[in-house]
Amino acid sequence: AQSVAQPEDQVNVAEGNPLTVKCTYSVSGNPYLFWYVQYPNRGLQFLLKYITGDNLVKGSYGFEAEFNKSQTSFHLKKPSALVSDSALYFCAVRVKGSGYSTLTFGKGTMLLVSP
Amino acid sequence: EAGVTQFPSHSVIEKGQTVTLRCDPISGHDNLYWYRRVMGKEIKFLLHFVKESKQDESGMPNNRFLAERTGGTYSTLKVQPAELEDSGVYFCASSQGLTTTYEQYFGPGTRLTVT
Repeated sequence: AQSVAQPEDQVNVAEGNPLTVKCTYSVSGNPYLFWYVQYPNRGLQFLLKYITGDNLVKGSYGFEAEFNKSQTSFHLKKPSALVSDSALYFCAVRVKGSGYSTLTFGKGTMLLVSP
Repeated sequence: EAGVTQFPSHSVIEKGQTVTLRCDPISGHDNLYWYRRVMGKEIKFLLHFVKESKQDESGMPNNRFLAERTGGTYSTLKVQPAELEDSGVYFCASSQGLTTTYEQYFGPGTRLTVT
């Protein structure tokens, strides 16, 4: 069975500082990895994905994530946080070639950026 | 292009009542998914339609849940009779293709409260 762990319920960072939201995964096979963000009263918005190729993936709003196969991690990063980045972030995984396209999600990490 | 829409945005019902949630996917998206998030926990997969057919319904909790997608357009998810543990946010998502590289686009969710 595949699973995703987001070890931090909440991450606090000051505006202008770099931020990292952690994600590790467990799958049998090669993973496709995704980050989604949920702003208050909004649906999940796609941020970025890793399918293959370069381990550093760039996405929307200046976010990026690094795929690390040996550590089975896909941490989300941004060099300089904005107050408007405050939201709930979800990491998700699919297994390549499994025949199923459903996503397995982590429980989410609340990011709070203070002015 | 209109996104995924869901109706209603909120629903409060009493235990034993029936509720029907509706999802309108992005036009042209054959794949439609239902997910549920119980407070503070992971977003969990419920089922996946390809056009009007159920591709995977392994995540449906029990036979009180019935999903339909007549004509392969919008979908409904009926809960009958509702129980307290059914409370949560129900998300619908759609995607364009069958391969696992396609990201899913999510609706804003329906917050269901069973009292």
